[in-house]
Order: sequence, then C-alpha cells, then structure tokens
Amino acid sequence: GAGVSQTPSNKVTEKGKYVELRCDPISGHTALYWYRQSLGQGPEFLIYFQGTGAADDSGLPNDRFFAVRPEGSVSTLKIQRTERGDSAVYLCASSPSNTDTQYFGPGTRLTVL
Amino acid sequence: DQQVKQNSPSLSVQEGRISILNCDYTNSMFDYFLWYKKYPAEGPTFLISISSIKDKNEDGRFTVFLNKSAKHLSLHIVPSQPGDSAVYFCAAKGFSGTYKYIFGTGTRLKVLA
Repeated sequence: GAGVSQTPSNKVTEKGKYVELRCDPISGHTALYWYRQSLGQGPEFLIYFQGTGAADDSGLPNDRFFAVRPEGSVSTLKIQRTERGDSAVYLCASSPSNTDTQYFGPGTRLTVL
Repeated sequence: DQQVKQNSPSLSVQEGRISILNCDYTNSMFDYFLWYKKYPAEGPTFLISISSIKDKNEDGRFTVFLNKSAKHLSLHIVPSQPGDSAVYFCAAKGFSGTYKYIFGTGTRLKVLA
C-alpha cells in the first residue's frame, strides 16, 4: 500500500516568508508525528497528533511553528516569519496507534535564504 | 544533552563481513529501542526493534543486542551487502505511554564490494 507522502519535496523561501508543509499519512493511521532533522543530526520530535487533536506539541521550537490536522488524516505544518535557522528536513511519520512503530515519509527539505 | 549517542559517525566494512553499529543511551527510563535505516533523499525506514525486557532480537541478517546495565545497544548485520550502505539511526522511546522517539545522530555505513 501507499506509504507516508510529503509535499513539496523541496521548498526554498526567503527569510520572513510563510510556508506550509503537507503530510499524507498511511490510510487508517490515527497517530501522526512531525520531526525536524538538521544537518548531521538525527530527527528531533516536534508535535504529535492523535486523530484531529495535537496531543503533544512540546517539541515546537517557538510560536512561529504551528500544525493542524483538521480531519484526522492530512496534516499541515505551518511556519511563520521563517528564519535561516529553520532550514532543515521536516519529516512526517504515522502509526496505527501511538504505541506502534512509526513509519516515515521522505521529508520536505526547507531552505530559508 | 544528547540522551541517545552514536559515537561513530561512519563505518566501512567489506562485503560479506559483519557490520556492528553501536548506540549508547543515558536515560534509564527508555523501554523500547529501534533502528532505522536511511538512504539519501528518503525518510528513515524501520529496520528492527527491541523491548527493554529482552536482550536480543533477530530478524534475518539483522540482530539487535541490548545491554541494559551498560545502557548500550548494538546492531549486527551479517553478512553485510552493498545495499546495506546507508545511514543508520538508533532511537529510543520512554516508559509506557510516551511516543516520542529520541534519535541518535546516525552512523554512515559503507559496505565495500
């Protein structure tokens, strides 16, 4: 079956702009996660959704970052007033429940100039 | 502070030989550990996992060993194949009820033909 998909695969933006990153989880997976991977680092947890609600957003670095999952499937990560330090690969993962193995998408590479 | 550490950034192994990737952790509350493999431009792919109640888990050519007293786990790949060349991430999950994966910084494995 189809895996986790993320769009766009690459996004280049200018400092101060707003960006949206999209994640389509595996069908039927109720748990959805966003991670961020900076160069030379492992993925770092940002936020977790169970269904439509954000059950844990403790990893979001500041209030410029926000994520939604209005219908319990597709999720969008939104970044306002982007900064050069936001440049990274943003990974989305999903799982059937929050105790199951997480399956990752290919990521969106964000570059802030 | 880095709770999950992979101290070897890279490893080269001859095809057919054993590859041993190491991971150390500091948090004794971690109860579940996973290894992910990552190819360039792709998301991490789940490889194998182990619960803290076990000391070994095997799946084909892949075996994970856990030494709780040393807070150390290792991934053995036997025999190594050129297609195994990738970055390998160790990840840990906290006590029951948590869902965040804490990742190490990764080890780049190169299997030489």
